[in-house]
Amino acid sequence: GAGVSQTPSNKVTEKGKYVELRCDPISGHTALYWYRQSLGQGPEFLIYFQGTGAADDSGLPNDRFFAVRPEGSVSTLKIQRTERGDSAVYLCASSLITTSTDTQYFGPGTRLTVL
Amino acid sequence: GDSVTQMEGPVTLSEEAFLTINCTYTATGYPSLFWYVQYPGEGLQLLLKATKADDKGSNKGFEATYRKETTSFHLEKGSVQVSDSAVYFCALSVGTGKLIFGQGTTLQVKP
Repeated sequence: GAGVSQTPSNKVTEKGKYVELRCDPISGHTALYWYRQSLGQGPEFLIYFQGTGAADDSGLPNDRFFAVRPEGSVSTLKIQRTERGDSAVYLCASSLITTSTDTQYFGPGTRLTVL
Repeated sequence: GDSVTQMEGPVTLSEEAFLTINCTYTATGYPSLFWYVQYPGEGLQLLLKATKADDKGSNKGFEATYRKETTSFHLEKGSVQVSDSAVYFCALSVGTGKLIFGQGTTLQVKP
């Protein structure tokens, strides 16, 4: 079946602009995670959803970052007043349930460049 | 807090050589441990996992054993191939499932 998809694959924006990044999880997966990967580093956790609710948003760096999942499927990560330091690859992952043993399936990522 | 430390790369090996990539962790609870791999131009994919102490995860000739006494989860393969060239990430998960990754180790296998 279809894997996790993310759009756009690349996004170039100017400092101060607003961006939205979209994630389509695997059908039937209740858990959805967002990570950010800077060059040469491992992914860092941002937020995860169980169904429609954000169960843990402790990784969001500041209040410019916000994510929603209104119908429990597609999720959108929103970044306001972008800064050059926001440049990274944003990864989305989904899993059937939220436990420490469950496998997360990752999308290809959105590469965000803030000029 | 919880963390993962991997050996620094790049690791360069000749084909058919033995591979070890070291990974150690710090966790307050009882984590599950994972190795993810990122091939050039592709997304992260699970290579193997172990969910409790002394479990051995294995896949595609790779193995890793969950060692609670040494808080380690070292990745090994007896004979690497050029197609194994990739970035390997060790990760842990406790409780809710969010993953904490190491910084990644680049493996280059030369023919």
